[in-house]
Amino acid sequence: AQKVTQAQTEISVVEKEDVTLDCVYETRDTTYYLFWYKQPPSGELVFLIRRNSFDEQNEISGRYSWNFQKSTSSFNFTITASQVVDSAVYFCALRGMGNSGGSNYKLTFGKGTLLTVNP
Amino acid sequence: GAGVSQTPSNKVTEKGKYVELRCDPISGHTALYWYRQSLGQGPEFLIYFQGTGAADDSGLPNDRFFAVRPEGSVSTLKIQRTERGDSAVYLCASSSTANTEAFFGQGTRLTVV
Repeated sequence: AQKVTQAQTEISVVEKEDVTLDCVYETRDTTYYLFWYKQPPSGELVFLIRRNSFDEQNEISGRYSWNFQKSTSSFNFTITASQVVDSAVYFCALRGMGNSGGSNYKLTFGKGTLLTVNP
Repeated sequence: GAGVSQTPSNKVTEKGKYVELRCDPISGHTALYWYRQSLGQGPEFLIYFQGTGAADDSGLPNDRFFAVRPEGSVSTLKIQRTERGDSAVYLCASSSTANTEAFFGQGTRLTVV
């Protein structure tokens, strides 16, 4: 079975602070993909990043960065110099590649972290 | 269209009624998914279509739920004899193939009163 845990239910920061959202996952698949999605109040899930399990290199995209550590099964997301527009619910998700008998298309989501950035 | 479109955006229905939720995927995407998101939870998988056929409907909670995709494009999620526990946001997503990124619609918020 696959599982994604986002231990932080809610985080509140002041604009320009850095913030890290934690994600821990479990899977028996030896290859898999990890994702982060943003869900603003409008409700649509906005794709942010996909990382495959072969690639542990950290990635930076503007103010966003991701830290993938296979040894601790974590895929944390950091927003640098947060802005009010970053306020949203952020979901971490996992998709196995089916090499332990499961599907290779089904996303398993965490419960999400509500980030509020105050001016 | 440019993105995944879901209609209606909001639906309020009485307990026991039948509802249909529509999803219009990104043009050319062969894979289509339905997820359900309850308040304070992450989306949970319901069903996956590859083309016209339901390749995996293991997430449908019971036989009151059914989905179709007759021409391999638009999909309809159908719920019979609605119950208050069916209240949730129903999200549709599509991807060009099963292994590529899924793009989500804005969802249909279903409220059963």
